Amino acid sequence: DIQMTQSPSTLSASVGDRVTITCRASQSISSWLAWYQQKPGKAPNLLIYKASTLETGVPSRFSGSGSGTEFTFTISSLQPDDFATYYCQQYNSLWTFGQGTKVEVK
Amino acid sequence: EVQLVESGGGLAQPGGSLRLSCAASGFIFSNYEMIWVRQAPGKGLEWLSYISGNDNNVYYADSVRGRFSISRDNPQNSLYLQMNSLRAEDTAVYYCARVVAQLPRFWGQGTLVTVSS
Repeated sequence: DIQMTQSPSTLSASVGDRVTITCRASQSISSWLAWYQQKPGKAPNLLIYKASTLETGVPSRFSGSGSGTEFTFTISSLQPDDFATYYCQQYNSLWTFGQGTKVEVK
Repeated sequence: EVQLVESGGGLAQPGGSLRLSCAASGFIFSNYEMIWVRQAPGKGLEWLSYISGNDNNVYYADSVRGRFSISRDNPQNSLYLQMNSLRAEDTAVYYCARVVAQLPRFWGQGTLVTVSS
């Protein structure tokens, strides 16, 4: 089974900050990595797939990069609506999620 | 409009059973692979099970294999998760999701399952 390790688990930031989250796979997953945003009481929402492709309608301040085992998710300028929990997910072999990163108000 | 509506959650005793349903509408259900994902209170997301469009292929996470069973009724536009031998650690919100190009791209709102005596 492929394990996904996401860090940090919590991130304190202010509006306008650049935010970066890292996700590491236990084995190569090529670019089969997605990033989701989840708000309390809601289902996850797909932001990025294939490591760096923005889902339709997702603001361009969100971006992703990486391949193989190391991946990065970036919010270039944090907006008030972006305070949420973010998950990476591999879909190279079935599906595995990272532990999540809660982006909270500093 | 695409909709996925889960139901069947509630309180179950340890060792008991529940059957979750996911009613699909707004798309040709049989054309899509489907999965179940759960989220324990305050915890992360865990993929549980997959079923192909024609239900010939099913897969399970190790944590539920042998206890949970996924199925679908394409004419009824419904997905199911039969959960047996429930444990306290199965307490979670259970989501169904539609898979497109290997990704769960559309999710239901979830149904809460609580396992407690």
